[in-house]
Amino acid sequence: EVQLLDSGGGLVQPGGSLRLSCAASGFTFSTYAMGWVRQAPGKGLEWVSAISGSGVSTYYADSVNGRFTISRDNSKNTLYLQMNSLRAGDTALYYCAKAPSSWPYYFDSWGQGTLVTVSS
Amino acid sequence: EIVMMQSPATLSVSPGERATLSCRASQSVGSNLAWYQQKPGQAPRLLIYGASTRATGIPDRFSGSGSGTEFTLIISSLQSEDFAVYYCQQYNNWPLLTFGGGTKVEIK
Repeated sequence: EVQLLDSGGGLVQPGGSLRLSCAASGFTFSTYAMGWVRQAPGKGLEWVSAISGSGVSTYYADSVNGRFTISRDNSKNTLYLQMNSLRAGDTALYYCAKAPSSWPYYFDSWGQGTLVTVSS
Repeated sequence: EIVMMQSPATLSVSPGERATLSCRASQSVGSNLAWYQQKPGQAPRLLIYGASTRATGIPDRFSGSGSGTEFTLIISSLQSEDFAVYYCQQYNNWPLLTFGGGTKVEIK
């Protein structure tokens, strides 16, 4: 059974940094692309970032490009999202998600989410 | 950026009735469209990909159709567990993925 355990969220001041983690199990992690999708309180889903199975290729939404960095450690079956220069608009529940192939077209398994609150 | 628009925002349906949800893309996305279901306090769940292919374990009362810019998700006979928010997502413009704003299906 696929399991994705998101962690690392919390309260951070504007301009601050946070690193999210997603521990994966139940599948061959390095075979699949992974991504992060966020959901602001009471709002819809917004794709944030994705990474290929090998970790060589990374992709970002315009809203986070240059501030967020996605990475993965295939030896630890873990996905990361380093978030810098955080803004109030980044406040959201962040989900890690697994793609059904090596390319992050859509997501067939999701973590439970980790809440990031950016506020002074 | 491809903008995805869902209608209606809220759909009130009685259990056992049919629900029809629409998703429109600002430009053609071919058949590169997925649908997700999200219940309160839960993560989204993949329902449909490729516009019409049900994901593993999804009941056949869920069906997707359409191509280009117009897509439809039909729930043929609503069960109590189907009341949720539904999102469409295009991946034709990969890696720039975009979601629709969602349709909430509520009990009438």
